[in-house]
Amino acid sequence: EAEVAQSPRYKITEKSQAVAFWCDPISGHATLYWYRQILGQGPELLVQFQDESVVDDSQLPKDRFSAERLKGVDSTLKIQPAELGDSAMYLCASSLAHNEQFFGPGTRLTVL
Amino acid sequence: SQQGEEDPQALSIQEGENATMNCSYKTSINNLQWYRQNSGRGLVHLILIRSNEREKHSGRLRVTLDTSKKSSSLLITASRAADTASYFCATRRADSSYKLIFGSGTRLLVRP
Repeated sequence: EAEVAQSPRYKITEKSQAVAFWCDPISGHATLYWYRQILGQGPELLVQFQDESVVDDSQLPKDRFSAERLKGVDSTLKIQPAELGDSAMYLCASSLAHNEQFFGPGTRLTVL
Repeated sequence: SQQGEEDPQALSIQEGENATMNCSYKTSINNLQWYRQNSGRGLVHLILIRSNEREKHSGRLRVTLDTSKKSSSLLITASRAADTASYFCATRRADSSYKLIFGSGTRLLVRP
């Protein structure tokens, strides 16, 4: 069964360092999403891609976060510099249409 | 900014009992979805109910939607220990954004 792949699964970094997360969506899924989930809360959308174009990045802290999906397939989310408050689970999801989303296992980031 | 509020925040039941979780939201929606998240993992889509539907079933799951009250409920019948997880409602807004907004979740514990 096709799955969304994410790496790394866990990342520990010191504040002010740069971190990057990678996501490979299910083949054929044009829409890709990056979410941030703080412990005890629901996921919050950071950025949404349709193919290689950003369609929603209204909640992305653009002074330190960036996301790209250059060929409209896999995607990278970068944080530079990382801050203590960035500690969270970063989830990637993809969808074929604008309904059911398929989530990857997530990357748990700890900023020390 | 999270639109949905789940109630209760936590629920503990005995195996075999039914579990009911509620979700309230604020704006007009296109559809409402329920997702399950096992500890430290990604989310799994359970069921989708459209704004013109009032009730939907899938196996041991029953979802109701009351758009006049802006609320939904998820019923899990004959619960099993494997149902232990966090459950989130997510709403797709009725405007053109296609944004999926998650609630804060209900943590369900099913005791064997």
